[in-house]
Amino acid sequence: EIVLTQSPGTLSLSPGERATLSCRASQSVSSTYLAWYQQKPGQAPRLLIYGASSRATGIPDRFSGSGSGTDFTLTISRLEPEDFAVYYCQQYGTSPMYTFGQGTKLEIK
Amino acid sequence: QMQLVQSGAEVKKTGSSVKVSCKASGYTFTYRYLHWVRQAPGQALEWMGWITPFNGNSNYAQKFQDRVTITRDRSMSTAYMELSSLRSEDTAMYYCATGAGDGIQFPFDYWGQGTLVTVSS
Repeated sequence: EIVLTQSPGTLSLSPGERATLSCRASQSVSSTYLAWYQQKPGQAPRLLIYGASSRATGIPDRFSGSGSGTDFTLTISRLEPEDFAVYYCQQYGTSPMYTFGQGTKLEIK
Repeated sequence: QMQLVQSGAEVKKTGSSVKVSCKASGYTFTYRYLHWVRQAPGQALEWMGWITPFNGNSNYAQKFQDRVTITRDRSMSTAYMELSSLRSEDTAMYYCATGAGDGIQFPFDYWGQGTLVTVSS
């Protein structure tokens, strides 16, 4: 089973700042099969990024993804108030398992 | 528009079973895999299993292999997740979600609203 470790656990930033979230895999993951989700309190997760770097439909271009192998990054270029949430990475290439990271909470400083 | 609507909250006794439904609309039900994901309070997302509505094939995470059953009713465009031998650690929000394509290796692009299952003695 591939284990995904996200860091930091909590990130405290101010609106307008740049956020960089990390996701590290215990073994190599094809970049084709790495996704990022955003989850706000009381809501279901929302797909942000798939294939490591492709934005899902309707996702603003301040969100970008990068990385390969075992190291992946989600970057939010300029934080908006609505971006403060919990973010999860997911690998979906190793069937039958789909694993999620433990999440990074992005909070307002 | 695509939508997944889940059944309402459940309160169950330890050792019993729960069956949660997920009704799909706005797309061809048989074209996309349907997954179940759970989230314990304050915890991360945890994938439980999938079903392919076309032929009813299913596959489960090893952790839940002996306790979960995912089924579907094609005529109702509805999938079901049944979890048996409930224990307090199964208290969680349960989500259904569709894969973003007609195969296994797709991210989850549409999610149900979640069903809270509370297990107590």
